[in-house]
Amino acid sequence: DGGITQSPKYLFRKEGQNVTLSCEQNLNHDAMYWYRQDPGQGLRLIYYSQIVNDFQKGDIAEGYSVSREKKESFPLTVTSAQKNPTAFYLCASSRTADNSPLHFGNGTRLTVT
Amino acid sequence: AQKVTQAQTEISVVEKEDVTLDCVYETRDTTYYLFWYKQPPSGELVFLIRRNSFDEQNEISGRYSWNFQKSTSSFNFTITASQVVDSAVYFCALSDVYNNNDMRFGAGTRLTVKP
Repeated sequence: DGGITQSPKYLFRKEGQNVTLSCEQNLNHDAMYWYRQDPGQGLRLIYYSQIVNDFQKGDIAEGYSVSREKKESFPLTVTSAQKNPTAFYLCASSRTADNSPLHFGNGTRLTVT
Repeated sequence: AQKVTQAQTEISVVEKEDVTLDCVYETRDTTYYLFWYKQPPSGELVFLIRRNSFDEQNEISGRYSWNFQKSTSSFNFTITASQVVDSAVYFCALSDVYNNNDMRFGAGTRLTVKP
């Protein structure tokens, strides 16, 4: 079955460490996205990529970095520069970068202490 | 700027009750898309519906129905005869016609359906 796989589901890190969240899709979608979800808030866009080897900052990109070397993969690195990294992170993809519905992974809950 | 407001933070109903989730949006665009997503406890958001701003017809899909009213900038979602499996967080979202990267989500409404 096609879908989006995020790993791991739970991640714990010490403050000051970089951490990379994995996102893989086998839907053959062109566009991929990273969102952050905090309690009581909607999803906020961190980064997006419309095609391979290209990505753009979203609303809250500071302290994060991404790469898109393969169509299927869009890993997100949470760097030590991110001041409040503890959150639920959701990866999504869409067939194209226009208004195609988003398909989401199960998310990674990151806790930094 | 685009904005989506879901004023109801949490709703609790008893099974078989009907429930309406409100969504009010703001946009300067004349053409846009509206979405509803469901987030069950497993975490992933599941797409429910997409509505073009030119299409104001209400839509029904089984126990789900959506009421789009451009005059009041609302896109409300009604679940008829709610079931325990409907318990989830529901998000309304608004996007530009051309770019998903400009999609704006509401804060979500947590629906709890009690047996």
